[in-house]
Amino acid sequence: FELTQPPSVSVSPGQTASISCSGDQSAIKYVSWYQQKPGQSPVLVVKHHWKGPSGILERFSGSNSGNTATLTISGTQTLDEAVYYCQAWDSRTVVFGGGTKLTVL
Amino acid sequence: QVQLVESGGGLVKAGGSLRLSCAASGFALSDYYMTWMRQAPGKGLEFVSYSTHDENIIYHAVSLKGRFTISRDNARNSLYLQMNSLAADDTATYYCARGSSRGQPPGYDSFDTWGRGTMVTVSS
Repeated sequence: FELTQPPSVSVSPGQTASISCSGDQSAIKYVSWYQQKPGQSPVLVVKHHWKGPSGILERFSGSNSGNTATLTISGTQTLDEAVYYCQAWDSRTVVFGGGTKLTVL
Repeated sequence: QVQLVESGGGLVKAGGSLRLSCAASGFALSDYYMTWMRQAPGKGLEFVSYSTHDENIIYHAVSLKGRFTISRDNARNSLYLQMNSLAADDTATYYCARGSSRGQPPGYDSFDTWGRGTMVTVSS
């Protein structure tokens, strides 16, 4: 299956940013989220947990509804500008979304 | 602190082979599932290979058609990726990443620690 993300999202500083990830409903329950800044390695920001998504970094949280997972960033800051990837498993394969470029302006 | 350091990348001709290494520190490799991911220049993240702590379960991306092999030496705290029959579209930065701790069900991992990556360039 595929995970579908919007290519880009824009948000004003201090506002809440939401990034969606759509896919197979059974896999979406176990989505994790990563932040990648230019020239850097990915960083886990929301971890899949059996009880639901668990934010790793302050201000980052995750939620699931139906076949869509959502990454929410509260009080967005300019340092949050990055590409965000959702990730799930499909049988024996790790699947990533195409990535969403978050612009804070 | 928990750290992963990849090495072994470089420039290789199409059809050639490379062996990548990933040295783990700050934790026991024997306690974790591990994976290799890659990222072509300007592109997104792509799964390559996955191994449970004891290598009892190993997954490879189907698209690799059996050319790559993941292995580990827990005594050396090191993970490896043997890559054969390399092609131009294997050009990418290769990352090792830490998955779930042993005892967790395989195939549901988040990856909480990533190395800085090693670049592999395949010339045609």
